[in-house]
Amino acid sequence: DGGITQSPKYLFRKEGQNVTLSCEQNLNHDAMYWYRQDPGQGLRLIYYSQIVNDFQKGDIAEGYSVSREKKESFPLTVTSAQKNPTAFYLCASSPLGTANTEAFFGQGTRLTVV
Amino acid sequence: GENVEQHPSTLSVQEGDSAVIKCTYSDSASNYFPWYKQELGKRPQLIIDIRSNVGEKKDQRIAVTLNKTAKHFSLHITETQPEDSAVYFCAASKKTGANNLFFGTGTRLTVIP
Repeated sequence: DGGITQSPKYLFRKEGQNVTLSCEQNLNHDAMYWYRQDPGQGLRLIYYSQIVNDFQKGDIAEGYSVSREKKESFPLTVTSAQKNPTAFYLCASSPLGTANTEAFFGQGTRLTVV
Repeated sequence: GENVEQHPSTLSVQEGDSAVIKCTYSDSASNYFPWYKQELGKRPQLIIDIRSNVGEKKDQRIAVTLNKTAKHFSLHITETQPEDSAVYFCAASKKTGANNLFFGTGTRLTVIP
């Protein structure tokens, strides 16, 4: 599996701490996304970015922050303001164009608050 | 915004039988409908997609149908095999630049050998 890589695979955080999840892609995709996956709730969009130095809030952005300093990288910070951060986090990327195309997912990071 | 509902949440079938998963969407402007398969502990992967200018698409044992008027689309898997066991997600999006996918809640399919 190449293309889009998330690290680490498992992450533990103490309450009150910020933590940053890494997402890197070598697919030359313009758009990148962060989703949160909870049991029985599908995937929910946290943030997305269409271009370097620009990003938009998704449906559940509160308590999260992102940056897009490079096309290849879209790190997600889970802040202490996120009340229920334990979840599986998926990063994805896709090309931009006149027609919607496939979104490619990373292998995910499972975050647990201890 | 878009609201995608998916049913059933769990589905068990005997090997060789067919499986059908149904989704509805709320935004008539949605025009792209992918289906993703997620095996345990792995990333979601696209298995088939359909655009709003097409009513049906087939790829070997997998087919997707779309009814724009009723705003629903379905995944059909024929001759199911144990390796089809996974969680399947439907999604919908509009052509707004970024491919913002709105996902259904998933269907856990179990194929019983």
